[in-house]
Amino acid sequence: GAVVSQHPSWVICKSGTSVKIECRSLDFQATTMFWYRQFPKQSLMLMATSNEGSKATYEQGVEKDKFLINHASLTLSTLTVTSAHPEDSSFYICSAIGTGGHSNQPQHFGDGTRLSIL
Amino acid sequence: GDSVTQMEGPVTLSEEAFLTINCTYTATGYPSLFWYVQYPGEGLQLLLKATKADDKGSNKGFEATYRKETTSFHLEKGSVQVSDSAVYFCALSGLSGGSNYKLTFGKGTLLTVNP
Repeated sequence: GAVVSQHPSWVICKSGTSVKIECRSLDFQATTMFWYRQFPKQSLMLMATSNEGSKATYEQGVEKDKFLINHASLTLSTLTVTSAHPEDSSFYICSAIGTGGHSNQPQHFGDGTRLSIL
Repeated sequence: GDSVTQMEGPVTLSEEAFLTINCTYTATGYPSLFWYVQYPGEGLQLLLKATKADDKGSNKGFEATYRKETTSFHLEKGSVQVSDSAVYFCALSGLSGGSNYKLTFGKGTLLTVNP
């Protein structure tokens, strides 16, 4: 149980295009989803937290107009990297937690999306 | 703010060796503690967790005990296998402005197990 599916797993695109990444909870309802960015050989950096039906909360230093997050249903959140540039190339990972919102609930992670901007 | 400090790698061991990866934390209140594992090119998988002091989390031969007095959550395994080669992240869960619990991660420790 508690499977999170992330799509696509790998995307290569030209500079200036926008890229959408989907994160789905397959067998549970995710009231909260998280988006992380991971640089090579480094830890995960939290970008934003999204709750179903409300605006995402972005971490300091993350451009909300650059990284658009939509959490329209209890099983789907999307991250759109707008007008992507080479410096946006990275490994993006989503996670989700179910209802309850307690600190002892683990986050369930997707397999990540490797984004390469040429 | 909350922080997690874990042993820097890389760690290289022979198969069947004993593993310890140290993790200490600073946090307000009573956080929950986790170990996650990341295999190459994949997302993170929950390895084990502990939610209160003196709890021991265990899974797949790995163990970690929540030590409030030393603010530690060291990961141990008695006999590692080649398939354990991965990056291990220690993390704590605490409140982030409002009611959302967010994870604070350590920097990760790369473990390589040689046959």
